[in-house]
Amino acid sequence: EDQVTQSPEALRLQEGESSSLNCSYTVSGLRGLFWYRQDPGKGPEFLFTLYSAGEEKEKERLKATLTKKESFLHITAPKPEDSATYLCAVQAQKLVFGQGTRLTINP
Amino acid sequence: DTEVTQTPKHLVMGMTNKKSLKCEQHMGHRAMYWYKQKAKKPPELMFVYSYEKLSINESVPSRFSPECPNSSLLNLHLHALQPEDSALYLCATAWDRDQGNTIYFGEGSWLTVV
Repeated sequence: EDQVTQSPEALRLQEGESSSLNCSYTVSGLRGLFWYRQDPGKGPEFLFTLYSAGEEKEKERLKATLTKKESFLHITAPKPEDSATYLCAVQAQKLVFGQGTRLTINP
Repeated sequence: DTEVTQTPKHLVMGMTNKKSLKCEQHMGHRAMYWYKQKAKKPPELMFVYSYEKLSINESVPSRFSPECPNSSLLNLHLHALQPEDSALYLCATAWDRDQGNTIYFGEGSWLTVV
């Protein structure tokens, strides 16, 4: 059965304190791994798509990386506006989501 | 800014009402999806349309009825809902259902059943 596990469940950081979110997965036939940001009461906002191990993508303070078993979302010098829930999803036979990491950045 | 537009943003309905959620996309995508999301949970797939035909129904109760009138529009008709159906309903689109393409979400419609 395809599975996606995100850790930690919640993370509090001080502004400027860099960290990483983890997404580990077991799927048969990975077709893509996706990261989304979701603000309360809104739909998920697309961030990155990764297709193969070793691939990396960057956008402002965020960088996503992929290995054969997991993906990391690195956040560098975060700001309060980066506070959100970050969702990881993998596309195999269908899109399977992790439970998300609730990130809070304190000023 | 999302190119997937959902209306209404908020809907309150009684258990005997009939209402509809609407979704419109102008990205030329051929796959369209309905997801349901409860608080602090990830989205759950309900239906998938591919080239305007229903291709996946994730055992959703018949009180939810999807419709795809054309390649840009997706509706979700609601009838005789229960309070536990209260949730954020998300429309999403992708270029193609089967190729690992990115799925883009709308802002969602908040549904409250009273």
